[in-house]
Amino acid sequence: DAKTTQPPSMDCAEGRAANLPCNHSTISGNEYVYWYRQIHSQGPQYIIHGLKNNETNEMASLIITEDRKSSTLILPHATLRDTAVYYCIRQSNAGNMLTFGGGTRLMVKP
Amino acid sequence: NAGVTQTPKFQVLKTGQSMTLQCAQDMNHEYMSWYRQDPGMGLRLIHYSVGAGITDQGEVPNGYNVSRSTTEDFPLRLLSAAPSQTSVYFCASSYRDRVNSGYTFGSGTRLTVV
Repeated sequence: DAKTTQPPSMDCAEGRAANLPCNHSTISGNEYVYWYRQIHSQGPQYIIHGLKNNETNEMASLIITEDRKSSTLILPHATLRDTAVYYCIRQSNAGNMLTFGGGTRLMVKP
Repeated sequence: NAGVTQTPKFQVLKTGQSMTLQCAQDMNHEYMSWYRQDPGMGLRLIHYSVGAGITDQGEVPNGYNVSRSTTEDFPLRLLSAAPSQTSVYFCASSYRDRVNSGYTFGSGTRLTVV
C-alpha cells in the first residue's frame, strides 16, 4: 500500500517548470511528505520534504495544500538531466521503511 | 565523505550459492537498511537496523540475513540464492531523526541468479 497516488508519466519542455502532483489524502498528522527521484538505474536521490509549510531548496520547491491531502513538486527550470522517476512518499519517525509506489516518470524534452 | 558504498556492483550467482553484499557508510548514520528493486517496480524493504547490534525484518526478509556489528557496516547475506532473488539491491542510511534528514542511497548491486 503505497498510500500516495501519482500520474504514471509526464512530459516537460527543457527550460520550463515541471510540476509533479501527488495525492496523499489519508496522510497522518505526524507524517511528512518526501520526494525522491531515481535516474535510470541509480539509487534514489533525496530531493525535498515538508510537513505543512511550503519548502524550497537548491533542487526544487514543494507546495503542500492547506489540508495536506496533496502536494506538488516543482522543478523551476527542468533540464534533460532531470529525466527520472519521481517518487512521492509519506514518512514518520515511527516508520522504518519508505513505501515506494509507481512514481511519475518525467521525460524532459529538448 | 564517500556516502554509502556498495560492493560489488554486479554479481552472477548459481542457484544454491551464498554470498554477502557489502554496504558501508561514513556519515555516522544510526539507521541503515536494504531494499530490493525488481524490474519496473518500486523498492521494497528487506531488513533494517536502527543501530549497532539491532536489526529487524522489513517487508520481504525471507532468504536474507543481516547483522550490524559496527555503525558503519551493514552486510546482507544471501543464504542459498534462488532465481527469484535476481534483482537490484540498494543500501540506504539515515540519521535516527529520519524525518528531518532523508535517506542516502548507495548506487546498487545488480544480482543475477542463474
